[in-house]
Amino acid sequence: GAGVSQSPSNKVTEKGKDVELRCDPISGHTALYWYRQSLGQGLEFLIYFQGNSAPDKSGLPSDRFSAERTGGSVSTLTIQRTQQEDSAVYLCASSLAGEGYTFGSGTRLTVV
Amino acid sequence: AQSVTQPDIHITVSEGASLELRCNYSYGATPYLFWYVQSPGQGLQLLLKYFSGDTLVQGIKGFEAEFKRSQSSFNLRKPSVHWSDAAEYFCAAYSGGYNKLIFGAGTRLAVHP
Repeated sequence: GAGVSQSPSNKVTEKGKDVELRCDPISGHTALYWYRQSLGQGLEFLIYFQGNSAPDKSGLPSDRFSAERTGGSVSTLTIQRTQQEDSAVYLCASSLAGEGYTFGSGTRLTVV
Repeated sequence: AQSVTQPDIHITVSEGASLELRCNYSYGATPYLFWYVQSPGQGLQLLLKYFSGDTLVQGIKGFEAEFKRSQSSFNLRKPSVHWSDAAEYFCAAYSGGYNKLIFGAGTRLAVHP
């Protein structure tokens, strides 16, 4: 597609529920990243996929967070047993190696 | 550890005034450097990037940035600010050895008429 697409754009969930956030990167981009932006905060790196290499999961805040990337394209970020502190905007970006990242519009997650 | 610092959390300028947003990085070698802008409720848009070569980089919307190795800085400038420039600006750095884009905390720009 022309840009990075994320869905849903907004998600409200009850504490303790699981959520799945989807990212559809730009076609042909080999790298895919997830970041989290909490209210009034900067961007926190979560996870990075590059081609067929093992993902860099060093930014995942707890084992409730996981992500996968199927077929080198679409990625899903899953948060299990959501907590209120998980409320944030989750941003996905894709890139060709060494180029600037293109970001999606994000998913605003609210845990109530 | 690799880091990107934006010393100014908030900046307010008058419309038509010049602007400079500061960014410093801490990396073992010169990283790739970027400036992004985020308008309220929007995603991040790339303004400009520096990989190598000419240290003065031109970007979109009339922005430019200058890389200064001696100061480990990559400051963003605009000669005349428009009200539509009010947004949050993020400086970021990427090093191939670490494979992730690290962001500064952001500078929120307000523009007075």
